[in-house]
Amino acid sequence: KAGVTQTPRYLIKTRGQQVTLSCSPISGHRSVSWYQQTPGQGLQFLFEYFSETQRNKGNFPGRFSGRQFSNSRSEMNVSTLELGDSALYLCASSLDPGGQPQHFGDGTRLSIL
Amino acid sequence: ILNVEQSPQSLHVQEGDSTNFTCSFPSSNFYALHWYRWETAKSPEALFVMTLNGDEKKKGRISATLNTKEGYSYLYIKGSQPEDSATYLCAFLPLGTGAGSYQLTFGKGTKLSVIP
Repeated sequence: KAGVTQTPRYLIKTRGQQVTLSCSPISGHRSVSWYQQTPGQGLQFLFEYFSETQRNKGNFPGRFSGRQFSNSRSEMNVSTLELGDSALYLCASSLDPGGQPQHFGDGTRLSIL
Repeated sequence: ILNVEQSPQSLHVQEGDSTNFTCSFPSSNFYALHWYRWETAKSPEALFVMTLNGDEKKKGRISATLNTKEGYSYLYIKGSQPEDSATYLCAFLPLGTGAGSYQLTFGKGTKLSVIP
């Protein structure tokens, strides 16, 4: 069974640009969550999608948005990039949003120059 | 904002030593507590999902206990091996977000280094 796939693995952007990251969950998983990790911080929750609906969003500005498609694939978009957006972005999928573990992708390393 | 604390921040042990670390979380509105292992250059890997007070889970040499009334969980590693070197993360899911939505709050992790 294929794992969670995130593309691209690495990305370099400049301030003010926008970026789209992609996540393909494990087949059959309908819940997809996104996290940001920066040095010194734990994994910070961005948002969670289930059956194309965003059910929860973390404490991030409106520049961070996402969506989920009917095949459960998800994208997140960051507009007007800032230096502080440099981070590792992880996507995770799950069968049951409550009692089942999350399965993580390898992440996208985003660097803002 | 939910507070999930892990201690210690980092730990160095000799190969063969047993070790344990702590995850503290809010004692009210508990739904689930997750443990993950994150090795360098890899993605986080699930170890346990614990949902009941008094739960004890075991996977090989790693085990975990849960006390929801006082808001803590312990992770134990028996006879540490160099391949156990990783950051161990716990994550708390409160009641009220489990069925309809899903927002895990992660601690900052305990970084374990096992010296051969």
